[in-house]
Amino acid sequence: DSGVTQTPKHLITATGQRVTLRCSPRSGDLSVYWYQQSLDQGLQFLIQYYNGEERAKGNILERFSAQQFPDLHSELNLSSLELGDSALYFCASSVGWGLNTEAFFGQGTRLTVV
Amino acid sequence: GESVGLHLPTLSVQEGDNSIINCAYSNSASDYFIWYKQESGKGPQFIIDIRSNMDKRQGQRVTVLLNKTVKHLSLQIAATQPGDSAVYFCAELSSNTGKLIFGQGTTLQVKP
Repeated sequence: DSGVTQTPKHLITATGQRVTLRCSPRSGDLSVYWYQQSLDQGLQFLIQYYNGEERAKGNILERFSAQQFPDLHSELNLSSLELGDSALYFCASSVGWGLNTEAFFGQGTRLTVV
Repeated sequence: GESVGLHLPTLSVQEGDNSIINCAYSNSASDYFIWYKQESGKGPQFIIDIRSNMDKRQGQRVTVLLNKTVKHLSLQIAATQPGDSAVYFCAELSSNTGKLIFGQGTTLQVKP
């Protein structure tokens, strides 16, 4: 168990809908990262937060947004869902950011858009 | 998208043999590299890391080699075991941007 908790584990929703994925980082970790992993694909970096502030942005669509709350948990909001958004969404956390900041991953949320 | 490249999608080895998984990265500004292991249905798990001021780092049964001249990273697994079967990802991080970028992954299959 990495200590990173993601909910829900599975989500099935229809196209055009909006969903929220939740991540609780490890105790003491200030950084949260979000990744998307499509079938047989690598992990695409979406966005990173550090202590409530957006720190780095990757290939995150405008339909997607995220935030990190004062208690350091994070939410990834996906709206106007399309079939192609079906994927595993991973959250990772680390103490800080930069060198030697080992990131620990949650078990992921499997999103299926039908 | 942003990604680090991997040379081979699948590597098949005999149990007990050594495995070498390769990775090429493109960002010369990256200063921290990590190997992750992902088993089916699970999130990536940290294996070993290396800073750009090093060229070799050893862990338990694993060694990471970094060649900055050709921007190449490799993971060596000694005496490969069935439990090593998984997808292995290399990842690079630039302390300037804070982005942790992953490669496409290499599937390691261990034959008994």
